[in-house]
Amino acid sequence: ELKVEQNPLFLSMQEGKNYTIYCNYSTTSDRLYWYRQDPGKSLESLFVLLSNGAVKQEGRLMASLDTKARLSTLHITAAVHDLSATYFCAVHGLLVAGGTSYGKLTFGQGTILTVHP
Amino acid sequence: DVKVTQSSRYLVKRTGEKVFLECVQDMDHENMFWYRQDPGLGLRLIYFSYDVKMKEKGDIPEGYSVSREKKERFSLILESASTNQTSMYLCASSWTGVHNEQFFGPGTRLTVL
Repeated sequence: ELKVEQNPLFLSMQEGKNYTIYCNYSTTSDRLYWYRQDPGKSLESLFVLLSNGAVKQEGRLMASLDTKARLSTLHITAAVHDLSATYFCAVHGLLVAGGTSYGKLTFGQGTILTVHP
Repeated sequence: DVKVTQSSRYLVKRTGEKVFLECVQDMDHENMFWYRQDPGLGLRLIYFSYDVKMKEKGDIPEGYSVSREKKERFSLILESASTNQTSMYLCASSWTGVHNEQFFGPGTRLTVL
Protein backbone atom coordinates (compact mmCIF):
# COMPACT_ATOMS: atom_id res chain seq x y z
CA GLU A 1 0.00 0.00 0.00
CA LEU A 2 1.34 3.40 -1.01
CA LYS A 3 2.02 5.76 1.89
CA VAL A 4 2.87 9.43 1.48
CA GLU A 5 4.45 11.45 4.28
CA GLN A 6 4.87 15.20 4.23
CA ASN A 7 6.94 17.24 6.61
CA PRO A 8 6.71 19.55 8.25
CA LEU A 9 2.95 19.61 8.82
CA PHE A 10 3.07 23.17 10.10
CA LEU A 11 5.47 25.84 8.89
CA SER A 12 5.62 29.38 10.18
CA MET A 13 7.98 31.52 8.14
CA GLN A 14 9.11 35.09 8.08
CA GLU A 15 8.80 37.03 4.89
CA GLY A 16 11.98 36.90 2.88
CA LYS A 17 13.17 33.55 4.23
CA ASN A 18 13.66 30.29 2.36
CA TYR A 19 12.33 26.92 3.33
CA THR A 20 11.63 23.43 1.95
CA ILE A 21 8.67 21.08 2.31
CA TYR A 22 9.46 17.38 1.92
CA CYS A 23 7.28 14.63 0.48
CA ASN A 24 8.38 11.01 0.94
CA TYR A 25 6.51 8.07 -0.54
CA SER A 26 6.78 4.35 -0.02
CA THR A 27 6.47 2.68 -3.44
CA THR A 28 7.54 3.38 -6.99
CA SER A 29 5.55 5.96 -8.89
CA ASP A 30 5.88 7.66 -12.27
CA ARG A 31 4.52 11.06 -11.36
CA LEU A 32 3.87 13.37 -8.48
CA TYR A 33 1.67 16.44 -8.07
CA TRP A 34 1.86 19.47 -5.83
CA TYR A 35 -1.33 21.33 -4.95
CA ARG A 36 -2.14 24.51 -3.10
CA GLN A 37 -5.30 25.02 -1.07
CA ASP A 38 -6.42 28.38 0.30
CA PRO A 39 -8.77 28.40 3.31
CA GLY A 40 -12.29 27.41 2.29
CA LYS A 41 -11.22 26.83 -1.30
CA SER A 42 -10.54 23.82 -3.48
CA LEU A 43 -7.21 22.43 -4.63
CA GLU A 44 -5.21 24.31 -7.23
CA SER A 45 -2.67 22.33 -9.19
CA LEU A 46 0.84 23.82 -8.94
CA PHE A 47 3.17 21.27 -10.52
CA VAL A 48 3.23 17.82 -12.02
CA LEU A 49 6.62 16.09 -11.96
CA LEU A 50 7.00 13.31 -14.49
CA SER A 51 10.48 11.86 -14.24
CA ASN A 52 13.51 11.40 -12.06
CA GLY A 53 15.38 14.66 -11.69
CA ALA A 54 12.43 16.75 -12.88
CA VAL A 55 12.50 20.32 -11.65
CA LYS A 56 9.78 22.87 -12.17
CA GLN A 57 9.62 26.49 -11.06
CA GLU A 58 6.84 29.03 -10.86
CA GLY A 59 7.60 32.32 -9.18
CA ARG A 60 8.97 31.71 -5.69
CA LEU A 61 8.13 28.00 -5.73
CA MET A 62 10.35 25.26 -7.10
CA ALA A 63 9.50 21.56 -7.05
CA SER A 64 11.81 18.63 -7.70
CA LEU A 65 11.52 14.87 -7.86
CA ASP A 66 13.99 12.11 -7.01
CA THR A 67 12.29 8.83 -7.88
CA LYS A 68 15.19 6.73 -6.61
CA ALA A 69 14.95 8.27 -3.16
CA ARG A 70 11.14 8.43 -3.47
CA LEU A 71 11.33 12.06 -2.44
CA SER A 72 9.94 15.31 -3.75
CA THR A 73 10.67 18.76 -2.41
CA LEU A 74 8.84 22.06 -2.68
CA HIS A 75 11.27 24.91 -2.10
CA ILE A 76 10.06 28.36 -1.19
CA THR A 77 12.36 31.27 -1.95
CA ALA A 78 12.03 34.65 -0.26
CA ALA A 79 8.57 33.92 1.12
CA VAL A 80 5.79 36.49 0.86
CA HIS A 81 2.48 36.63 2.71
CA ASP A 82 0.53 35.59 -0.41
CA LEU A 83 2.13 32.15 -0.21
CA SER A 84 0.27 31.39 3.04
CA ALA A 85 -1.85 28.29 2.27
CA THR A 86 -1.91 24.53 2.71
CA TYR A 87 0.32 22.58 0.33
CA PHE A 88 -0.26 18.95 -0.58
CA CYS A 89 1.81 16.49 -2.50
CA ALA A 90 -0.03 13.63 -4.22
CA VAL A 91 1.61 10.54 -5.63
CA HIS A 92 0.21 8.84 -8.70
CA GLY A 93 -0.65 5.16 -8.54
CA LEU A 94 -2.97 2.71 -10.22
CA LEU A 95 -6.44 1.50 -9.39
CA VAL A 96 -7.73 -1.52 -11.30
CA ALA A 97 -11.43 -1.74 -12.01
CA GLY A 98 -13.27 -3.88 -14.52
CA GLY A 99 -9.96 -5.22 -15.80
CA THR A 100 -8.70 -1.73 -16.69
CA SER A 101 -6.15 0.47 -14.90
CA TYR A 102 -7.02 3.98 -13.81
CA GLY A 103 -4.96 6.69 -12.21
CA LYS A 104 -5.27 7.14 -8.48
CA LEU A 105 -3.80 9.84 -6.25
CA THR A 106 -2.55 9.23 -2.72
CA PHE A 107 -2.12 12.47 -0.81
CA GLY A 108 0.27 13.56 1.87
CA GLN A 109 -1.12 15.04 5.08
CA GLY A 110 -0.65 18.61 3.91
CA THR A 111 1.66 21.37 5.15
CA ILE A 112 0.02 24.47 6.58
CA LEU A 113 2.29 27.38 5.65
CA THR A 114 1.95 30.74 7.36
CA VAL A 115 4.16 33.61 6.27
CA HIS A 116 4.57 36.43 8.77
CA PRO A 117 5.76 39.99 8.04
CA ASP B 1 -12.12 25.80 -18.26
CA VAL B 2 -13.10 22.63 -16.48
CA LYS B 3 -15.80 23.24 -13.95
CA VAL B 4 -16.63 20.88 -11.09
CA THR B 5 -19.43 22.08 -8.87
CA GLN B 6 -20.80 20.72 -5.63
CA SER B 7 -24.37 21.31 -4.52
CA SER B 8 -23.63 22.78 -1.10
CA ARG B 9 -20.67 24.56 0.46
CA TYR B 10 -21.87 23.96 4.00
CA LEU B 11 -24.27 21.35 5.33
CA VAL B 12 -25.44 20.57 8.86
CA LYS B 13 -27.24 17.28 9.51
CA ARG B 14 -28.29 15.23 12.49
CA THR B 15 -27.03 11.79 13.44
CA GLY B 16 -28.99 9.10 11.64
CA GLU B 17 -30.13 11.30 8.76
CA LYS B 18 -29.62 10.22 5.16
CA VAL B 19 -27.36 12.71 3.42
CA PHE B 20 -26.79 13.30 -0.28
CA LEU B 21 -23.79 15.23 -1.59
CA GLU B 22 -23.99 16.08 -5.28
CA CYS B 23 -21.20 16.75 -7.74
CA VAL B 24 -21.54 17.89 -11.34
CA GLN B 25 -18.82 18.33 -13.97
CA ASP B 26 -19.22 20.02 -17.32
CA MET B 27 -16.31 18.58 -19.30
CA ASP B 28 -17.71 15.19 -20.26
CA HIS B 29 -15.16 13.45 -18.03
CA GLU B 30 -15.49 9.70 -17.70
CA ASN B 31 -13.93 9.45 -14.24
CA MET B 32 -15.27 10.98 -11.06
CA PHE B 33 -13.99 10.73 -7.48
CA TRP B 34 -15.13 11.46 -3.94
CA TYR B 35 -12.55 12.32 -1.27
CA ARG B 36 -12.81 13.34 2.33
CA GLN B 37 -10.32 15.78 3.79
CA ASP B 38 -9.42 15.79 7.48
CA PRO B 39 -6.72 17.80 9.26
CA GLY B 40 -3.46 15.89 9.46
CA LEU B 41 -4.74 13.13 7.15
CA GLY B 42 -4.81 14.85 3.78
CA LEU B 43 -7.36 13.70 1.22
CA ARG B 44 -8.50 10.09 1.24
CA LEU B 45 -10.39 8.42 -1.59
CA ILE B 46 -13.87 7.20 -0.68
CA TYR B 47 -15.23 6.02 -4.05
CA PHE B 48 -14.37 6.25 -7.70
CA SER B 49 -16.57 5.93 -10.79
CA TYR B 50 -15.18 5.23 -14.27
CA ASP B 51 -18.46 5.20 -16.18
CA VAL B 52 -22.18 5.61 -15.72
CA LYS B 53 -23.46 3.12 -13.15
CA MET B 54 -19.91 1.86 -12.53
CA LYS B 55 -18.23 2.38 -9.17
CA GLU B 56 -15.22 1.16 -7.29
CA LYS B 57 -14.39 1.40 -3.61
CA GLY B 58 -11.54 3.62 -2.58
CA ASP B 59 -9.53 3.50 0.61
CA ILE B 60 -12.29 4.41 3.10
CA PRO B 61 -15.70 3.36 1.68
CA GLU B 62 -17.26 2.23 4.97
CA GLY B 63 -20.41 4.14 5.80
CA TYR B 64 -20.74 5.59 2.29
CA SER B 65 -22.34 4.66 -1.00
CA VAL B 66 -22.41 6.40 -4.38
CA SER B 67 -24.62 6.76 -7.39
CA ARG B 68 -23.81 7.70 -10.96
CA GLU B 69 -26.89 7.66 -13.15
CA LYS B 70 -25.64 10.32 -15.59
CA LYS B 71 -22.15 10.93 -16.84
CA GLU B 72 -21.90 14.45 -15.47
CA ARG B 73 -23.26 13.73 -11.99
CA PHE B 74 -21.78 11.72 -9.12
CA SER B 75 -23.54 11.52 -5.77
CA LEU B 76 -22.12 10.54 -2.40
CA ILE B 77 -24.65 9.07 0.02
CA LEU B 78 -24.38 8.72 3.76
CA GLU B 79 -27.13 6.23 4.57
CA SER B 80 -27.16 7.07 8.27
CA ALA B 81 -24.90 9.98 9.11
CA SER B 82 -22.68 9.74 12.15
CA THR B 83 -20.61 12.35 13.96
CA ASN B 84 -17.36 10.78 12.73
CA GLN B 85 -18.43 11.66 9.20
CA THR B 86 -18.10 15.36 9.97
CA SER B 87 -15.52 16.43 7.41
CA MET B 88 -14.79 18.32 4.21
CA TYR B 89 -15.84 16.37 1.11
CA LEU B 90 -14.20 17.05 -2.24
CA CYS B 91 -15.31 15.80 -5.61
CA ALA B 92 -12.97 15.51 -8.59
CA SER B 93 -13.21 14.46 -12.22
CA SER B 94 -10.83 13.50 -15.02
CA TRP B 95 -10.78 12.07 -18.52
CA THR B 96 -10.28 8.36 -18.75
CA GLY B 97 -6.78 6.95 -18.93
CA VAL B 98 -4.09 6.34 -16.41
CA HIS B 99 -2.39 9.73 -16.44
CA ASN B 100 -5.09 12.32 -16.77
CA GLU B 101 -5.12 15.13 -14.24
CA GLN B 102 -7.93 15.37 -11.73
CA PHE B 103 -9.88 18.62 -11.39
CA PHE B 104 -11.40 19.39 -8.00
CA GLY B 105 -14.65 20.97 -6.91
CA PRO B 106 -14.89 23.60 -4.16
CA GLY B 107 -15.78 21.13 -1.41
CA THR B 108 -18.71 20.63 0.96
CA ARG B 109 -18.12 21.05 4.66
CA LEU B 110 -20.47 18.62 6.38
CA THR B 111 -21.19 18.80 10.09
CA VAL B 112 -23.11 15.94 11.70
CA LEU B 113 -24.55 16.81 15.11
